[in-house]
Amino acid sequence: EAGVTQFPSHSVIEKGQTVTLRCDPISGHDNLYWYRRVMGKEIKFLLHFVKESKQDESGMPNNRFLAERTGGTYSTLKVQPAELEDSGVYFCASSQNRVDEQYFGPGTRLTVT
Amino acid sequence: EDQVTQSPEALRLQEGESSSLNCSYTVSGLRGLFWYRQDPGKGPEFLFTLYSAGEEKEKERLKATLTKKESFLHITAPKPEDSATYLCAVHNQAGTALIFGKGTTLSVSS
Repeated sequence: EAGVTQFPSHSVIEKGQTVTLRCDPISGHDNLYWYRRVMGKEIKFLLHFVKESKQDESGMPNNRFLAERTGGTYSTLKVQPAELEDSGVYFCASSQNRVDEQYFGPGTRLTVT
Repeated sequence: EDQVTQSPEALRLQEGESSSLNCSYTVSGLRGLFWYRQDPGKGPEFLFTLYSAGEEKEKERLKATLTKKESFLHITAPKPEDSATYLCAVHNQAGTALIFGKGTTLSVSS
């Protein structure tokens, strides 16, 4: 069975540009999560979807970040406009039930110059 | 405030030299404590879930234990391929997210 996939693996953009990250969860997993790791810090939660609904977006840094999950399948995370402090590795994870272990994708490394 | 603290930050071992990694946590109502392994350039790979004090889980050379305030990841006779960053995480109060520690980077030399 395929694991969580993320695209692109690496993105380099200039400050002020827009970037869209994509995540495909494990098939059948209703719960999808976005996390971010900034250099030198721990992995931090951004938001949680159950199917297509946002359950918790308390970790989203500001309104420059927009997450969607169309039809309860894949999810996108758009950053517009990007700032230097948005650089980091963005991870997506999925789980079958909310309290289950979460399976992570390989991450997207975002560099804003 | 929910918090996870891991120690040490880095650990260097000789092949075969057993040791333990520590994860202390503060959370209201533990809903699960998770151990992950992360290799450079990859996402965290799930290892164990522990739910209640006294619980133990084993996988190859790794054994995870849980008390009311901390968890230990014991590594018995490690090999170079065990070198990685080991992450500890707990569910937040709402059960909607994982709260991670900064991790322990383990290096095992032959």
